[in-house]
Amino acid sequence: QVQLVESGGGVVQPGGSLRLSCAASGFTFSSYGMHWVRQAPGKGLEWVSLTRYDGSNTYYADSVKGRFTISRDNSKNTLYLQMNSLRPEDTAVYYCAKGHDTSWYYFDYWGQGTLVTVSS
Amino acid sequence: DIQMTQSPSSVSASVGDRVTITCRASQGINNWLAWYQQRPGKAPKLLIYAASSLQSGVPSRFSGSGSGTDFTLTISSLQPEDFATYYCQQANSFPLFTFGPGTKVDIK
Repeated sequence: QVQLVESGGGVVQPGGSLRLSCAASGFTFSSYGMHWVRQAPGKGLEWVSLTRYDGSNTYYADSVKGRFTISRDNSKNTLYLQMNSLRPEDTAVYYCAKGHDTSWYYFDYWGQGTLVTVSS
Repeated sequence: DIQMTQSPSSVSASVGDRVTITCRASQGINNWLAWYQQRPGKAPKLLIYAASSLQSGVPSRFSGSGSGTDFTLTISSLQPEDFATYYCQQANSFPLFTFGPGTKVDIK
Protein backbone atom coordinates (compact mmCIF):
# COMPACT_ATOMS: atom_id res chain seq x y z
CA GLN A 1 0.00 0.00 0.00
CA VAL A 2 1.04 3.60 -0.47
CA GLN A 3 3.26 4.96 2.28
CA LEU A 4 4.75 8.40 2.67
CA VAL A 5 7.08 9.04 5.59
CA GLU A 6 8.37 12.54 6.27
CA SER A 7 11.46 13.36 8.31
CA GLY A 8 13.79 16.25 9.00
CA GLY A 9 11.59 18.54 11.04
CA GLY A 10 12.77 20.26 14.19
CA VAL A 11 13.44 23.57 15.88
CA VAL A 12 15.41 26.19 13.95
CA GLN A 13 16.15 29.85 14.55
CA PRO A 14 14.75 32.56 12.29
CA GLY A 15 16.94 32.88 9.22
CA GLY A 16 18.05 29.28 9.47
CA SER A 17 17.67 26.34 7.11
CA LEU A 18 16.17 22.90 7.23
CA ARG A 19 15.78 20.06 4.73
CA LEU A 20 12.74 17.83 4.84
CA SER A 21 12.57 14.39 3.25
CA CYS A 22 9.65 12.20 2.28
CA ALA A 23 10.30 8.52 1.62
CA ALA A 24 7.71 6.97 -0.67
CA SER A 25 6.75 3.35 -1.18
CA GLY A 26 3.90 1.25 -2.52
CA PHE A 27 3.54 3.01 -5.86
CA THR A 28 5.63 4.00 -8.88
CA PHE A 29 7.06 7.19 -7.43
CA SER A 30 8.59 8.33 -10.73
CA SER A 31 5.15 8.48 -12.37
CA TYR A 32 3.48 11.01 -10.09
CA GLY A 33 3.60 14.68 -9.28
CA MET A 34 4.35 15.24 -5.60
CA HIS A 35 3.40 18.09 -3.27
CA TRP A 36 4.26 19.66 0.04
CA VAL A 37 1.34 21.05 2.07
CA ARG A 38 1.67 22.68 5.48
CA GLN A 39 -0.56 23.39 8.45
CA ALA A 40 0.30 25.97 11.09
CA PRO A 41 -0.69 24.99 14.65
CA GLY A 42 -4.47 25.18 15.00
CA LYS A 43 -4.87 26.54 11.47
CA GLY A 44 -5.97 25.33 8.06
CA LEU A 45 -4.10 23.77 5.16
CA GLU A 46 -1.76 25.69 2.86
CA TRP A 47 -0.32 24.27 -0.35
CA VAL A 48 3.42 24.93 -0.50
CA SER A 49 5.02 23.35 -3.55
CA LEU A 50 4.70 20.86 -6.41
CA THR A 51 7.16 18.95 -8.55
CA ARG A 52 6.24 17.14 -11.73
CA TYR A 53 6.82 13.40 -11.94
CA ASP A 54 10.26 13.87 -13.49
CA GLY A 55 11.28 16.98 -11.56
CA SER A 56 11.38 19.01 -14.78
CA ASN A 57 9.07 21.68 -13.44
CA THR A 58 8.54 22.99 -9.94
CA TYR A 59 5.97 25.38 -8.54
CA TYR A 60 5.67 27.35 -5.31
CA ALA A 61 3.24 29.33 -3.24
CA ASP A 62 4.05 33.03 -3.19
CA SER A 63 4.71 32.81 0.56
CA VAL A 64 7.75 30.54 0.05
CA LYS A 65 8.96 31.44 -3.45
CA GLY A 66 12.67 32.22 -3.50
CA ARG A 67 13.23 30.61 -0.09
CA PHE A 68 12.10 26.99 -0.50
CA THR A 69 13.24 24.47 -3.11
CA ILE A 70 11.43 21.24 -3.89
CA SER A 71 13.31 18.37 -5.48
CA ARG A 72 13.09 14.63 -5.92
CA ASP A 73 15.34 11.64 -6.41
CA ASN A 74 13.38 9.05 -8.34
CA SER A 75 16.16 6.49 -7.89
CA LYS A 76 15.64 6.73 -4.12
CA ASN A 77 11.85 7.26 -4.19
CA THR A 78 12.35 10.35 -2.10
CA LEU A 79 10.94 13.88 -2.17
CA TYR A 80 12.73 16.82 -0.57
CA LEU A 81 12.01 20.34 0.58
CA GLN A 82 14.98 22.62 1.20
CA MET A 83 13.84 25.50 3.37
CA ASN A 84 16.08 28.57 3.70
CA SER A 85 15.65 31.98 5.34
CA LEU A 86 13.04 30.50 7.65
CA ARG A 87 10.57 32.81 9.38
CA PRO A 88 8.40 32.29 12.46
CA GLU A 89 5.35 32.16 10.17
CA ASP A 90 6.83 29.03 8.54
CA THR A 91 6.14 27.14 11.76
CA ALA A 92 3.85 24.28 10.78
CA VAL A 93 3.40 20.58 10.26
CA TYR A 94 4.68 19.82 6.77
CA TYR A 95 2.99 17.02 4.86
CA CYS A 96 4.13 15.44 1.64
CA ALA A 97 1.28 14.33 -0.58
CA LYS A 98 1.00 12.28 -3.73
CA GLY A 99 -0.71 13.65 -6.83
CA HIS A 100 -3.93 11.84 -7.65
CA ASP A 101 -4.09 9.07 -10.23
CA THR A 102 -6.41 11.08 -12.50
CA SER A 103 -4.98 14.52 -11.86
CA TRP A 104 -1.97 15.58 -9.84
CA TYR A 105 -3.94 18.67 -8.86
CA TYR A 106 -5.52 16.66 -6.07
CA PHE A 107 -3.74 14.94 -3.17
CA ASP A 108 -4.75 11.32 -2.71
CA TYR A 109 -2.23 10.09 -0.13
CA TRP A 110 -0.56 12.03 2.64
CA GLY A 111 2.29 11.33 5.03
CA GLN A 112 1.93 11.70 8.79
CA GLY A 113 3.68 15.07 8.72
CA THR A 114 6.81 16.53 10.30
CA LEU A 115 6.77 19.56 12.60
CA VAL A 116 8.96 22.55 11.83
CA THR A 117 9.25 25.18 14.54
CA VAL A 118 10.97 28.47 13.77
CA SER A 119 11.78 30.24 16.98
CA SER A 120 14.64 31.98 18.75
CA ASP B 1 -5.89 34.31 -6.41
CA ILE B 2 -9.05 32.28 -5.96
CA GLN B 3 -10.40 32.48 -2.43
CA MET B 4 -12.42 29.66 -0.91
CA THR B 5 -15.01 30.07 1.82
CA GLN B 6 -16.90 27.39 3.73
CA SER B 7 -20.08 27.41 5.73
CA PRO B 8 -20.81 26.75 8.43
CA SER B 9 -17.47 27.04 10.21
CA SER B 10 -18.69 24.43 12.65
CA VAL B 11 -21.73 22.21 13.05
CA SER B 12 -22.94 20.06 15.91
CA ALA B 13 -24.72 16.91 14.87
CA SER B 14 -25.76 13.51 16.13
CA VAL B 15 -24.99 10.04 14.83
CA GLY B 16 -27.40 9.31 12.00
CA ASP B 17 -27.91 12.95 11.05
CA ARG B 18 -27.60 14.24 7.51
CA VAL B 19 -24.91 16.92 7.33
CA THR B 20 -24.30 19.34 4.47
CA ILE B 21 -21.25 21.59 4.16
CA THR B 22 -20.99 24.35 1.57
CA CYS B 23 -17.89 25.63 -0.20
CA ARG B 24 -17.84 28.74 -2.38
CA ALA B 25 -15.11 29.92 -4.75
CA SER B 26 -14.46 33.61 -5.41
CA GLN B 27 -14.60 32.89 -9.14
CA GLY B 28 -15.68 29.98 -11.29
CA ILE B 29 -13.59 26.84 -11.01
CA ASN B 30 -15.67 24.51 -13.21
CA ASN B 31 -15.59 21.22 -11.26
CA TRP B 32 -11.98 21.47 -10.07
CA LEU B 33 -12.81 20.85 -6.43
CA ALA B 34 -11.86 18.28 -3.81
CA TRP B 35 -13.00 17.56 -0.27
CA TYR B 36 -10.74 16.27 2.52
CA GLN B 37 -11.45 14.95 5.99
CA GLN B 38 -8.98 15.56 8.82
CA ARG B 39 -9.34 13.88 12.18
CA PRO B 40 -7.52 15.46 15.14
CA GLY B 41 -3.79 14.81 15.03
CA LYS B 42 -4.01 13.00 11.71
CA ALA B 43 -3.20 13.78 8.10
CA PRO B 44 -5.99 14.86 5.75
CA LYS B 45 -7.76 12.18 3.73
CA LEU B 46 -9.17 12.69 0.24
CA LEU B 47 -12.92 12.02 0.08
CA ILE B 48 -14.17 13.58 -3.16
CA TYR B 49 -12.39 14.88 -6.26
CA ALA B 50 -13.64 16.58 -9.41
CA ALA B 51 -16.53 17.91 -7.29
CA SER B 52 -18.51 14.66 -7.25
CA SER B 53 -16.20 11.67 -7.78
CA LEU B 54 -15.89 9.43 -4.75
CA GLN B 55 -12.31 8.47 -3.92
CA SER B 56 -11.67 4.74 -3.83
CA GLY B 57 -12.36 3.23 -0.43
CA VAL B 58 -14.46 6.14 0.85
CA PRO B 59 -17.91 5.14 2.14
CA SER B 60 -20.85 5.95 -0.10
CA ARG B 61 -22.51 8.06 2.61
CA PHE B 62 -20.18 10.82 1.41
CA SER B 63 -21.21 12.67 -1.72
CA GLY B 64 -20.26 15.88 -3.46
CA SER B 65 -22.03 18.15 -5.88
CA GLY B 66 -21.75 21.51 -7.57
CA SER B 67 -19.98 23.33 -10.34
CA GLY B 68 -18.80 26.83 -11.05
CA THR B 69 -18.62 28.63 -7.71
CA ASP B 70 -20.89 26.69 -5.34
CA PHE B 71 -20.26 23.19 -4.03
CA THR B 72 -21.60 20.93 -1.30
CA LEU B 73 -20.36 17.94 0.64
CA THR B 74 -23.10 15.77 2.11
CA ILE B 75 -22.78 13.05 4.72
CA SER B 76 -26.05 11.14 4.46
CA SER B 77 -25.95 9.43 7.85
CA LEU B 78 -23.25 10.65 10.21
CA GLN B 79 -21.14 7.95 11.84
CA PRO B 80 -18.94 8.26 14.96
CA GLU B 81 -15.77 8.21 12.86
CA ASP B 82 -17.02 11.17 10.77
CA PHE B 83 -16.49 13.72 13.54
CA ALA B 84 -13.64 15.69 12.04
CA THR B 85 -12.77 18.86 10.17
CA TYR B 86 -13.59 19.02 6.46
CA TYR B 87 -11.72 21.14 3.92
CA CYS B 88 -12.49 21.97 0.33
CA GLN B 89 -9.66 22.61 -2.15
CA GLN B 90 -9.77 24.26 -5.55
CA ALA B 91 -7.55 22.91 -8.30
CA ASN B 92 -8.55 25.24 -11.12
CA SER B 93 -5.92 27.95 -10.78
CA PHE B 94 -2.87 25.79 -11.37
CA PRO B 95 -0.51 25.84 -9.62
CA LEU B 96 -1.91 28.08 -6.91
CA PHE B 97 -4.07 25.51 -5.17
CA THR B 98 -6.05 26.89 -2.25
CA PHE B 99 -8.05 25.36 0.56
CA GLY B 100 -11.13 26.56 2.35
CA PRO B 101 -10.83 27.45 6.06
CA GLY B 102 -12.46 24.21 7.18
CA THR B 103 -15.71 23.08 8.77
CA LYS B 104 -15.57 21.27 12.08
CA VAL B 105 -18.20 18.60 12.63
CA ASP B 106 -18.58 17.76 16.29
CA ILE B 107 -20.90 15.80 18.51
CA LYS B 108 -24.14 17.43 19.61
